[in-house]
Amino acid sequence: SQQGEEDPQALSIQEGENATMNCSYKTSINNLQWYRQNSGRGLVHLILIRSNEREKHSGRLRVTLDTSKKSSSLLITASRAADTASYFCATDAGTSGSRLTFGEGTQLTVNP
Amino acid sequence: DGGITQSPKYLFRKEGQNVTLSCEQNLNHDAMYWYRQDPGQGLRLIYYSQIVNDFQKGDIAEGYSVSREKKESFPLTVTSAQKNPTAFYLCASRPLGTSGDEQFFGPGTRLTVL
Repeated sequence: SQQGEEDPQALSIQEGENATMNCSYKTSINNLQWYRQNSGRGLVHLILIRSNEREKHSGRLRVTLDTSKKSSSLLITASRAADTASYFCATDAGTSGSRLTFGEGTQLTVNP
Repeated sequence: DGGITQSPKYLFRKEGQNVTLSCEQNLNHDAMYWYRQDPGQGLRLIYYSQIVNDFQKGDIAEGYSVSREKKESFPLTVTSAQKNPTAFYLCASRPLGTSGDEQFFGPGTRLTVL
């Protein structure tokens, strides 16, 4: 079953604007990860936030985690046309094999 | 170069045929995973393996089979029992223990049933 639900499903913005994507999940987690997928390609890991962390930064990326609300958000600041891709959250609940459960993704389009 | 390779990139299959998708990694990772992705959807776990000669079913294992005879290889067979196999298949790997929690993905194989 899909634990992560993402919102919005699609987001279209202009270059230079910020993009915010949200992810909700249902069970307790060890960590939550965000991945990026360009059309027809494999996924690339962006950032990981652990259950005892509330906020993390990496370059133009900022991730927050609210375990009481079982939700996370990914903020991309000063977006560029090259940021156009699908973004997925994935939760690691600490189960056997370190399985990840993926959300259905947000399709981000950044218009030049 | 270190990484994960998948072959072929595109695969066409006639109904009733079994096909095998290749996944190889030279990252010395312990765990390997197979996911299925349908258009506009997230990834669903088919099978995973934490160690050679051992593997476990994921959420949608019916109609698929795997083997893990070598640490670097985790081939996926899509059998004729899989009723709707047309999809994008992604292989991933990761080290276990304290080496890191992210998964590394291959470029994917797009399977189309004719």
